[in-house]
Amino acid sequence: GESVGLHLPTLSVQEGDNSIINCAYSNSASDYFIWYKQESGKGPQFIIDIRSNMDKRQGQRVTVLLNKTVKHLSLQIAATQPGDSAVYFCAENIGGSNYKLTFGKGTLLTVNP
Amino acid sequence: NAGVTQTPKFRVLKTGQSMTLLCAQDMNHEYMYWYRQDPGMGLRLIHYSVGEGTTAKGEVPDGYNVSRLKKQNFLLGLESAAPSQTSVYFCASSYGLAGGSLETQYFGPGTRLLVL
Repeated sequence: GESVGLHLPTLSVQEGDNSIINCAYSNSASDYFIWYKQESGKGPQFIIDIRSNMDKRQGQRVTVLLNKTVKHLSLQIAATQPGDSAVYFCAENIGGSNYKLTFGKGTLLTVNP
Repeated sequence: NAGVTQTPKFRVLKTGQSMTLLCAQDMNHEYMYWYRQDPGMGLRLIHYSVGEGTTAKGEVPDGYNVSRLKKQNFLLGLESAAPSQTSVYFCASSYGLAGGSLETQYFGPGTRLLVL
């Protein structure tokens, strides 16, 4: 079956730099995407979402970009802070009434002071 | 609002024992989900419910049962625990008028289960 994947399992950045976390999806029917942040020992926390009719969506210090042509999703974090250190998951919903999500395995972001 | 809560936070079982994990949400969400998270495997859906009194199988349902007798609660049962069920279990809920997109799932803090 089709699934969500991630390009990089780990990412290390310096505090203050911008971070980019990538995600590839293969299901062309996917119409909704979410980025989650999971800190050690905690549950996934919603960061930002985007629908397939959009290319870009911005939040506070975070931006999600969607490229439907190459089925690619990215999360950009501006001015990365130590508190941003966590595992980041992308998830996709292929539509339908049960709102099930398919999750990627995650990327570990480490912010060095 | 407490959001999604899970009890217990941690449990150790012996092979063959049974237990029930409780998930509660106070967001009036219609849909609830149970996932397990294992190293390198990501989140895998065990069972889900689209409303009170309804349940459905997810990706990895074997060895688990669920019940949704009340809208706010979703129970996950292990009738005869096996070491392969050692994992971190997360509950999530979605589809409500509390804000956000209908598909956005909100997660609980997790239950860490060790089966010896």
